[in-house]
Order: sequence, then C-alpha cells, then structure tokens
Amino acid sequence: SQTIHQWPATLVQPVGSPLSLECTVEGTSNPNLYWYRQAAGRGLQLLFYSVGIGQISSEVPQNLSASRPQDRQFILSSKKLLLSDSGFYLCAWSVQRVAFFGQGTRLTVV
Amino acid sequence: GENVEQHPSTLSVQEGDSAVIKCTYSDSASNYFPWYKQELGKGPQLIIDIRSNVGEKKDQRIAVTLNKTAKHFSLHITETQPEDSAVYFCAATGGQNFVFGPGTRLSVLP
Repeated sequence: SQTIHQWPATLVQPVGSPLSLECTVEGTSNPNLYWYRQAAGRGLQLLFYSVGIGQISSEVPQNLSASRPQDRQFILSSKKLLLSDSGFYLCAWSVQRVAFFGQGTRLTVV
Repeated sequence: GENVEQHPSTLSVQEGDSAVIKCTYSDSASNYFPWYKQELGKGPQLIIDIRSNVGEKKDQRIAVTLNKTAKHFSLHITETQPEDSAVYFCAATGGQNFVFGPGTRLSVLP
C-alpha cells in the first residue's frame, strides 16, 4: 500500500536560518506531489506542485522553494526564514486525482 | 481559475443528529470532488469522494451528493458521534491541482 512520510513533525527555527523539509512517498510511481501551508485555523494554501522529477510549479511567490530530486521525494526549502513562514506544512501526493496528505510539520519561526 | 466556497464555517450538532456541509465550485471543468477530515495537529484524511459521472455516493454514515448543473456538492453525516468532531474540507479538481474550501469546524455535543 501507499504511504507518505513527512518529517520532522515539529520544528522551531530562528529568523534568518535555513529550512529543509522532506517528504517521501512509498508504494507508487510517478505521483504528483504537493506542498501546502496551513495557517492556524485556516484553509490550505498550495505552495508548490510537481508532476515529475525536476518539474516544479510555484503557486505563490514567497521566501520558499521546492525541489524534486527523485520520483518519490519532494523537498521544501528556504535560505532565510521569516516570521511569516510559521505555519503547518503539509506534503501530499496524488495519482489519478486522488490525493493523500502526510501528517504535517509544525514550523515555528522565532 | 477554480473557486470553492464552503458553508457553514462552524457547525454544532447534538450527538445522534445529522450534519450537512455544502460546497459550491465555479469551474464547470472540475470533475472530481473529495472530502477531507482534519483532526487537531494532523494532516487531512480523505473520507469520501465523488466523480462527476455520479450523483450520490454513500459509505456507512457518510454520503456525498453532487449537482453538476448547480455546481454544488454536499457532505452528509448521519448519527453523528463525538469522534466526528473535526474540521472538514471540500475540494474540487479538473486536472492536477486541487482547490480547497476554507473548511467547516464540526462539533458534536454529547
């Protein structure tokens, strides 16, 4: 069966520090991969999506970037975090339009 | 682009009663409509979905109806239980990207 791994679960980082969140999917090939951000008590904001290795589409201009070095690996990065980058980050994958989410990373920038 | 509205934003019901959450979408090209349940601190979990060639789908206490002409779809939960308390998101897609509604916080009162 397919599973998605996202880590770390929680992260506290100082302003100006770099960020790397990793997401891997098992049990499927060539999935679409997504990064979403969720502010406290709010909806899901699509940040990036990828339909294949090295193919990244950005939905919102921001301080973040994404990479897909392998078919089932999706990485969210930042060179210098801002306070406004705090939030709940969710990785998701989909095949044939059915999407599944990871358990999320709670990022607090202090 | 697609726009998804969701109502109500909060809903409180007595245990055993039914709960209904409604969503509308704008893009007639959308043809897949999933519903997600998100518990506190966790990633959204897919609970039911419906494709545009079907008008209704049911899974135990949960059902979803779709009216393509009116561009709206609804989630119905019968015989609600305290463990149904969560935030529910609807979504719509016609391709690779999912557009989510803003969410409904459901509280089931014992």
